[in-house]
Amino acid sequence: QVQLQESGPGLVKPSETLSLTCTVSGGSISSYYWSWIRQPPGKGLEWIGYIYYSGSTNYNPSLKSRVTISVDTSKNQFSLKVSSVTATDTAVYYCARHTGGYSGPMDVWGKGTTVTVSS
Amino acid sequence: DIVMTQSPDSLAVSLGERATINCKSSQSVLYSSNNKSYLTWYQQKPGQPPKLLIYWASTRESGVPDRFSGSGSGTDFTLTISSLQAEDVAVYYCQQYFSTPYTFGQGTKLEIK
Repeated sequence: QVQLQESGPGLVKPSETLSLTCTVSGGSISSYYWSWIRQPPGKGLEWIGYIYYSGSTNYNPSLKSRVTISVDTSKNQFSLKVSSVTATDTAVYYCARHTGGYSGPMDVWGKGTTVTVSS
Repeated sequence: DIVMTQSPDSLAVSLGERATINCKSSQSVLYSSNNKSYLTWYQQKPGQPPKLLIYWASTRESGVPDRFSGSGSGTDFTLTISSLQAEDVAVYYCQQYFSTPYTFGQGTKLEIK
């Protein structure tokens, strides 16, 4: 079955850019929408944005000016960049698949990767 | 943004008893053309990602025990666990996927009494 795996640096300095990749295995990245979600320590879930395999995107306005999501279909991967990070960007970052189109539930999630913003 | 509000924030229920969690959206998440409410329920255990339990407000995901059920439409929704098991201890989140930005409730922590 489809599995997702997040990867990237666990520590990022303030004002720098956070970069993460989600690798899709056991299935194709094509024909699905893919999201990034984050969860600060001890807090709830925040949707960051999604990308379609064709490259179209939709971002949360709360982060839109700092977020870029891209896709590499040849590698079956999609990526997240968050620029100008601060301590409030410290969180577990998850990638997830939407079933049934962009307006569909997120049925497959990665295990998450912890990113700490600190000097 | 659609604001999702869950109640209660925490809940303690005896094993074998019923647990009920409520979720209210600040505007309707019912799409009239297909009569579907764009509402999911997730279960999150410590150190794990959220797990999809219920979508379209009342459709159980494959493999989810039938003691979990979802109900409601429009703006008011309920997740019911008919007979609480020890493995159901978790935080439960509702989420709307009617419009972006997709938003989650604050979570309800379910414990054993």
